[in-house]
Amino acid sequence: GAGVSQSPSNKVTEKGKDVELRCDPISGHTALYWYRQRLGQGLEFLIYFQGNSAPDKSGLPSDRFSAERTGESVSTLTIQRTQQEDSAVYLCASSLGRIGTGELFFGEGSRLTVL
Amino acid sequence: GIQVEQSPPDLILQEGANSTLRCNFSDSVNNLQWFHQNPWGQLINLFYIPSGTKQNGRLSATTVATERYSLLYISSSQTTDSGVYFCALNAGGTSYGKLTFGQGTILTVHP
Repeated sequence: GAGVSQSPSNKVTEKGKDVELRCDPISGHTALYWYRQRLGQGLEFLIYFQGNSAPDKSGLPSDRFSAERTGESVSTLTIQRTQQEDSAVYLCASSLGRIGTGELFFGEGSRLTVL
Repeated sequence: GIQVEQSPPDLILQEGANSTLRCNFSDSVNNLQWFHQNPWGQLINLFYIPSGTKQNGRLSATTVATERYSLLYISSSQTTDSGVYFCALNAGGTSYGKLTFGQGTILTVHP
């Protein structure tokens, strides 16, 4: 597609429920990144993929968070048993070429509210 | 990991004024970008500038990698320039793959 696409744009859920957030990167971009931005804060790195591989998962806040990528395209970030502190905007980005190099392009984010 | 410090944290301007935003970092970098986050939360790419100088209209940026800083210049500011400006960079090594963001400069341009 023309840009990074994320869905849903907004998600309101109850504490304890699971949520899935989806990212569709720019076509041909092999590197994909997930970030989290809490209200009024900067961006917090979560995880990156080079192709379908995620060599560094240390940025995930807890074992309730997981992410996968299939077919070197779409990625899904899953949060299990959501907590109120998970409320944030989850941003996805993609870049062309080798991870860590090249310009990143961000989607519009998925705003998650946990009640 | 690499440290990223942006200054000033807040900046208030009258329309038409010029400004300089600074990004200091603690290690050599192989990727540096400037972003503008508009009031709707969208991150807009301004510059991909691990070194050198670039210009795009009223905006320009300079990165002096050997001295570990980057500057973003905004000339003849407009109200639409309001928002948060982030620098983000990748240092390689153990942080390879991770673009680390500064805390941002909040810019408000009054008409």
